[in-house]
Amino acid sequence: GNSVTQMEGPVTLSEEAFLTINCTYTATGYPSLFWYVQYPGEGLQLLLKATKADDKGSNKGFEATYRKETTSFHLEKGSVQVSDSAVYFCALSGHDNFNKFYFGSGTKLNVKP
Amino acid sequence: GAGVSQTPSNKVTEKGKYVELRCDPISGHTALYWYRQSLGQGPEFLIYFQGTGAADDSGLPNDRFFAVRPEGSVSTLKIQRTERGDSAVYLCASSLVGSGVADTQYFGPGTRLTVL
Repeated sequence: GNSVTQMEGPVTLSEEAFLTINCTYTATGYPSLFWYVQYPGEGLQLLLKATKADDKGSNKGFEATYRKETTSFHLEKGSVQVSDSAVYFCALSGHDNFNKFYFGSGTKLNVKP
Repeated sequence: GAGVSQTPSNKVTEKGKYVELRCDPISGHTALYWYRQSLGQGPEFLIYFQGTGAADDSGLPNDRFFAVRPEGSVSTLKIQRTERGDSAVYLCASSLVGSGVADTQYFGPGTRLTVL
């Protein structure tokens, strides 16, 4: 079946540090992959996505590359800001049912000034 | 434009009671989704509508849960005989088409349900 595993948090970094949040998945075929972010007191927002192998999604300085060989979609940012403090969710939709999303358990990021 | 809205934002009820949660999707979005998010977990899929019909209800946990979307816009998630284990944040999302390559799902702020 389809599932997503992401690193447990919280992750605490100083401003301008490099960020990596690991995400690996299990799926049949070729899923689409997503990162959603939930800022304090707000709803889930799409951060970036990739729909086929080797695609790189990017937005707001965040990047993630769809690696089929390692079944991974790790989120990276070169220099985090305090405003990036949020919970980050990795998700996939299966090739056999695009409309059903499977989410990881979320990783909380705390960025200190 | 307006995003997905959900009402109420909070609902406290007693075990055994009936509750209804409402979702108003983004105007023009034909696909609508319900998810449930327990504390410390990611959202779990419940049901997906394409237009007025439930295209996939495989995530509904049991027959106490039911959802409708009679006019293809607003949807209501209905929970009968609530149990303490139903306590969670119920999220609604909508997308433009809901077919083909995965569409971006736009999420509402959620309804926090607490069953005492």
